[in-house]
Amino acid sequence: EVQLLESGGDLVQPGESLRLSCAASGFTFSSYAMSWVRQAPGKGLEWVSAIGGSGDITYYAESVKGRFTISRDNSKNTLSLQMNSLRAEDTAVYYCAKATVVSGRSTRSDYWGQGTLVTVSS
Amino acid sequence: QSVLTQPPSASGTPGQRVTISCSGSRSSIGANHVNWYQQLPGTAPKLLIYGDNQRPSGVPDRFSGSKSGTSASLAISGLQSEDEADYYCAAWDDSLNGAVFGGGTQLTVL
Repeated sequence: EVQLLESGGDLVQPGESLRLSCAASGFTFSSYAMSWVRQAPGKGLEWVSAIGGSGDITYYAESVKGRFTISRDNSKNTLSLQMNSLRAEDTAVYYCAKATVVSGRSTRSDYWGQGTLVTVSS
Repeated sequence: QSVLTQPPSASGTPGQRVTISCSGSRSSIGANHVNWYQQLPGTAPKLLIYGDNQRPSGVPDRFSGSKSGTSASLAISGLQSEDEADYYCAAWDDSLNGAVFGGGTQLTVL
């Protein structure tokens, strides 16, 4: 059974950093791209970042480029999102999602985690 | 403002057929497959339609997708109360070199 379990969400102040993790199980982790998608309270889905199966190719939304870094450890079946210089507008539930292909250039995600809440506020 | 445009709301009565549109551009929908997600209140999104018009196993055939040019549509026939949810379209955008979602459509079953 495929499982994705996010962790690391917290309340932080503007300008601070936070690292999210997503523990994956139930599938061959390195064979699939992974992505982060966020949802601000009461708002729609916003794609944040994606990474190919080998971890060598990454993609970012303009809103987070230069501040967020996506990475993966295929030996530990873990996806991460390092978030620096956090802003109030980064407040959201962050979901990790598994793609159905190894390429990160895909919006077809067949499994999603339950999400972890990041709140940026002073 | 989302790169893909969806109506914010839609509604229908049980048994009816409803359609949700998703408008994009040549670099998004015009160049890449569209996927649709259903999000029930308080839950993670669920893949509903992939590759413009394919249903994952377990998704009822009441749900169907189509695409023409730079627009896509999700149709739900035989509307049921459990279909009340938010629906999102998504596609890769070659110009942005990133994924884009529609703003979402809240479906109400009257």
